[in-house]
Amino acid sequence: QSALTQPRSVSGSPGQSVTISCTGTSRDVGGYTYVSWYQQHPGKAPKLMIYDVAKRPSGVPDRFSGSKSGNTASLTISGLQAEDEADYYCCSYAGTLEVFGTGTKVTVL
Amino acid sequence: EVHLVESGGGLVKPGGSLRLSCAASGFTFDTYIMTWVRQAPGKGLEWVSSISSGSTYIYYADSMKGRFTISRDNANNSLYLQMSNLRAEDTAVYYCAKGSITGTTHDYWGQGILVAVSS
Repeated sequence: QSALTQPRSVSGSPGQSVTISCTGTSRDVGGYTYVSWYQQHPGKAPKLMIYDVAKRPSGVPDRFSGSKSGNTASLTISGLQAEDEADYYCCSYAGTLEVFGTGTKVTVL
Repeated sequence: EVHLVESGGGLVKPGGSLRLSCAASGFTFDTYIMTWVRQAPGKGLEWVSSISSGSTYIYYADSMKGRFTISRDNANNSLYLQMSNLRAEDTAVYYCAKGSITGTTHDYWGQGILVAVSS
């Protein structure tokens, strides 16, 4: 199972919006509504930001939103803040296994 | 409050074995799927293995099949990963993660433990 494809990096100024794509296949992203997004700061454990494509756990700001179209899922961060600078990983259920994305570094300019 | 604490990591020679443990607290352990995820130095996250609440269902990534064994002790709120025939490419931080109530994501993660495979 190959890793899901994400852009290596995206950037934006404070207050702007950025969108990270996560492209898979019909065997993973396109076949299920079980896509999650994780935020990881350097040296820290991943933190769940979005699950089941578009649901936000309690405590996650509503600036973070998720969506999916076909084999591609997306994470949008609106009103970018300095603390949003981190690595972001998508993850999809794929039957009897899970597959993570390649990861995207978000830089706040 | 949910706590997941990994232990058992360290330096091991190629071909060697190691057993990781994850001590869980703050939730009803025997209700949730548990998972191991790893991250090689400077690389992305990689799903390793998952185990259902009652150990009935166990899944592995292809590259770990036959070498890694996941297990759990619900009486002691512990998750394990027995790793054998270790290779240099198994060098990574290993995280244990708790499944959500829906079983479709991982809502809490441990701080991770480093496994280094080198001669």
